[in-house]
Order: sequence, then structure tokens, then C-alpha cells
Amino acid sequence: DVKVTQSSRYLVKRTGEKVFLECVQDMDHENMFWYRQDPGLGLRLIYFSYDVKMKEKGDIPEGYSVSREKKERFSLILESASTNQTSMYLCATLGLAETGATGELFFGEGSRLTVL
Amino acid sequence: LAKTTQPISMDSYEGQEVNITCSHNNIATNDYITWYQQFPSQGPRFIIQGYKTKVTNEVASLFIPADRKSSTLSLPRVSLSDTAVYYCLVGRISSGSARQLTFGSGTQLTVLP
Repeated sequence: DVKVTQSSRYLVKRTGEKVFLECVQDMDHENMFWYRQDPGLGLRLIYFSYDVKMKEKGDIPEGYSVSREKKERFSLILESASTNQTSMYLCATLGLAETGATGELFFGEGSRLTVL
Repeated sequence: LAKTTQPISMDSYEGQEVNITCSHNNIATNDYITWYQQFPSQGPRFIIQGYKTKVTNEVASLFIPADRKSSTLSLPRVSLSDTAVYYCLVGRISSGSARQLTFGSGTQLTVLP
């Protein structure tokens, strides 16, 4: 089974702090994603990485950055946390699929961040 | 981007068949349609994926009409444990363009005894 592990299930930080959210996968998948999930808004893509050191902005990248130094690890960084970044953060990897198909996303259990 | 629209919530009773429809009027030619299930405090989990007509697996069926502007997830004989949020996802991966994966807002399905 694919395992996607997020380092912290619950975090409480103060406004202005730097926050690191870590995600590790054990299936050698090339593609990794960070989403945030808020009530009524579904899942929104923050950043995406398709290879080591490669990244692409998603729909809501403002206030976030990412790091992918190793294939199995994808980190989300909040340089200066703000209260509007209080949310559930979900990491995912993309499994292989038939040619042209989207494939299957495998999600971690999420990290609930509260910024005070 | 293919925007998706789903009902916010649905109620059903145990043993009934449940159909959840997702609207995606501007789906692109190469887009696939995928459905995910999410329980509280967990990440979403893949249910089924399709491109056209009908796809069936051990847990669900996916119906896609010829114009592909909508899709329907069908859950046969639901049980209380099927109470969850169901997401429709439209898009495909193409060399580093993950923004083409668009989730809907999700449908909260509540199965009643």
C-alpha cells in the first residue's frame, strides 16, 4: 500500500512565525501536491512538484513556498504565518495510470494548522 | 479549467442506491473524471475514474453521457459507513501542469438507518 505521511497532525502557531509542513511518501512517485481544505471550498491546490527541485504554482500559492530536495519528501513552508492560513493541509502523491489518464491521488491524513 | 458543480448535501437510507451528479460543462477533450471519498479527519480516497460511457468496480459505478458535460457516481445499497464527503475531480496531468486537476466543493452524503 502507498503510504503518505504528514509530519504533524495538529499544529498551533503564532502570527508571523515560520511554519514547515513535511510530507514523505514511500512509493517513488514523481508527482507530489499540497492542497488546503476549508469548509465550503473543497480542496484547493497550493503547489505541485513533478520532480526533485521542480515545482509549479497551483491556484492559491500566495503566502506559501515549497521545497523538494529529495524525491520522497515535499515540504510546504509558510514564511510568515497569518490567521487566514488557518486550515487543513493535505499532501498527495500521484500514482501511475494508463496513458493519458489522470491516475490516482494518494493523500496523507492531513495537518490541521491553527494560526493565532 | 473545467469547473465542477456538485450538490452540497444528500440524504439516503441504508440499502438504497445513491446517485451523485457532478456538472462539468467545459470539460476538455483529454480530461478524465475521478471521484474521491473523504471521511472526517482523513485524506480523500480514490473511488473510481473514467473517460466515457460506464465504468464499474467493486464499490461503485460511474456513468458519463456522450457529451461528457456531467457524470454520475452510483453507490449501490449504501450503508451507514458510506456517510462521507464525495468529491468529483476533472482533469489530467500533463508535464507539470497540476492546476488542471480541479476538485468540486464536495457532496456530503448522510446515510440514515
